[in-house]
Amino acid sequence: EIVMTQDPATLSVSPGERATLSCRASQSIRNTLAWYQHKPGQPPRLLIFRASTRASDIPPRFSGSGSGTEFTLTISSLQSEDFAVYFCMQYHDWPRTFGQGTKVEIK
Amino acid sequence: QVQLVQSGSELKKPGASVTVSCKAAGYSFTNHAINWVRQAPGQRLFWMGSINTDSGNPTYAQGFTGRFVISLDTSVSTAYLQINRLQAEDTAVYFCVRSRPLWGFVFDIWGQGTVVTVSS
Repeated sequence: EIVMTQDPATLSVSPGERATLSCRASQSIRNTLAWYQHKPGQPPRLLIFRASTRASDIPPRFSGSGSGTEFTLTISSLQSEDFAVYFCMQYHDWPRTFGQGTKVEIK
Repeated sequence: QVQLVQSGSELKKPGASVTVSCKAAGYSFTNHAINWVRQAPGQRLFWMGSINTDSGNPTYAQGFTGRFVISLDTSVSTAYLQINRLQAEDTAVYFCVRSRPLWGFVFDIWGQGTVVTVSS
């Protein structure tokens, strides 16, 4: 199965600053990579699919890039509501596999 | 509003069974497969299996055969995850998730999660 690795485990950022999150696949997944935001007590929310396409109603401060094995999620200017856990998922092959998550916390 | 609403938290003893339900609303149920994903404490998400809501055919991940049964009732737009012979290691949050065919079958809508605790 494809192993997804996220870095860093925790990212401390001040409001208004940029956050850059990394996700790496153990083999090429082309662009079949999604990013999700997960807050406690809420269902995960799809942010990005096809590595760089924003899902419906996702603000433009969220952007995704990459292909093959290296992917990045960038939050250009962190808002208070953006502090959460972010995880990636590959949907290139079965079983679908997930990264372990990056917690974005207030610095 | 498109949503998946799951049943409430469960506390079960080892050896018992539990059924988690996932009711779809706001879209045509049979147009999107439903997946089940588990998150054990401190662990990453793990895909358990899925069900084709048109044919009713389930598929299971390795390690989730035998004790796990995925089913559905299209008359009430609901999918089910049944876990038999519960073990302490089954303690986790269980999510149902919809696949979106037009977006490459990415998982787009998630249920709120159901906490299953297995303890004697």
